[in-house]
Amino acid sequence: SQKIEQNSEALNIQEGKTATLTCNYTNYSPAYLQWYRQDPGRGPVFLLLIRENEKEKRKERLKVTFDTTLKQSLFHITASQPADSATYLCAPDSGSARQLTFGSGTQLTVLP
Amino acid sequence: GAGVSQSPSNKVTEKGKDVELRCDPISGHTALYWYRQSLGQGLEFLIYFQGNSAPDKSGLPSDRFSAERTGGSVSTLTIQRTQQEDSAVYLCASSNRESNYGYTFGSGTRLTVV
Repeated sequence: SQKIEQNSEALNIQEGKTATLTCNYTNYSPAYLQWYRQDPGRGPVFLLLIRENEKEKRKERLKVTFDTTLKQSLFHITASQPADSATYLCAPDSGSARQLTFGSGTQLTVLP
Repeated sequence: GAGVSQSPSNKVTEKGKDVELRCDPISGHTALYWYRQSLGQGLEFLIYFQGNSAPDKSGLPSDRFSAERTGGSVSTLTIQRTQQEDSAVYLCASSNRESNYGYTFGSGTRLTVV
């Protein structure tokens, strides 16, 4: 069966450091992989989408990599800030017009 | 509107009552999704609408759950004879598959069954 695993339930880092979150998937062949941010009491917010033929994608302080051989995506936040504290969700996307399945998320806390 | 709107934001209901949750998606988005998120848990897919196609109801947990989407826009999720295990945040999202800009979620309806 299809499975999505995100690294450790919670990740604490010091302000200014780079946060690295991991998303591993099995029994998927996604054409895309999406990352979302969710704050308490709010719905997830779309951050980035990376295609299978893109090794890396950047948006401001965010960087996402996508390794279809390892079946893994890494999500980096550089120069992290306390405002980056949230839960981050990954979602492999087959590219067909069907629903996304989300990972359970990694809760990131950036300590001042 | 500018975003996905859900109402009510909070709903407390007695066990056994029926509830209706509303979602107003982004204008022009052809796809609409309902998810459920229990406290501290991940997102659980419920139902998916795409244009005029028959909805994908494969995630509905029981026949007490139903949803409709009228005129390709507003959607209503109905839960009949609510149970305490139905307590959760119900999230609606819409998307335009051609844009590759992901899903836009509403803020959800927090349902509490007492």
